[in-house]
Amino acid sequence: EAGVTQFPSHSVIEKGQTVTLRCDPISGHDNLYWYRRVMGKEIKFLLHFVKESKQDESGMPNNRFLAERTGGTYSTLKVQPAELEDSGVYFCASSRQPPRQGQNSPLHFGNGTRLTVT
Amino acid sequence: GQQLNQSPQSMFIQEGEDVSMNCTSSSIFNTWLWYKQDPGEGPVLLIALYKAGELTSNGRLTAQFGITRKDSFLNISASIPSDVGIYFCAGLSGGSNYKLTFGKGTLLTVNP
Repeated sequence: EAGVTQFPSHSVIEKGQTVTLRCDPISGHDNLYWYRRVMGKEIKFLLHFVKESKQDESGMPNNRFLAERTGGTYSTLKVQPAELEDSGVYFCASSRQPPRQGQNSPLHFGNGTRLTVT
Repeated sequence: GQQLNQSPQSMFIQEGEDVSMNCTSSSIFNTWLWYKQDPGEGPVLLIALYKAGELTSNGRLTAQFGITRKDSFLNISASIPSDVGIYFCAGLSGGSNYKLTFGKGTLLTVNP
């Protein structure tokens, strides 16, 4: 099966501009997650979709970030307007079920989008 | 929020050597996961641990879920050049069944 794909792989934008990241999960995976790793820091949870519904967006940094998953297939994450501190690698992951305790429902990560805001 | 303290931050070893890395937390986790990230790629799950005290192997990799539920270690035996990468621990607490907490990663370099 095809893995999680993310586009673009790299994006360099200026402060104040808008960027939209796209994630195509593995087919049949209802659960889709966005994570972010800022340079030198840990990978942090941003939000979780089940199909087209946002289950938890508690990790979203602020209202400049907007995630959508229309139709429950691919997802987009828009940053508008971008700030310098938004630079980092944005990972998308998907799973058939949430990784509950005792169940082997691993998250499959995409290769990430490296965002640089100058 | 919850934090995982992962150490060491980086390691430089010779091919053939064994390596060990660990994660600790002040909070209890019910699931511990170890991921590896190769350059330009996303994290890939290596080992998942679901019970306190559990010891699990995957080839040359061995990981354990600490008895206190607050720590885990990963050992790699007889390292090879392709072991190079960033290794992340991640935990799942009882309060969530989907939100992973990650450590900052251990960068492993293996000299041939």
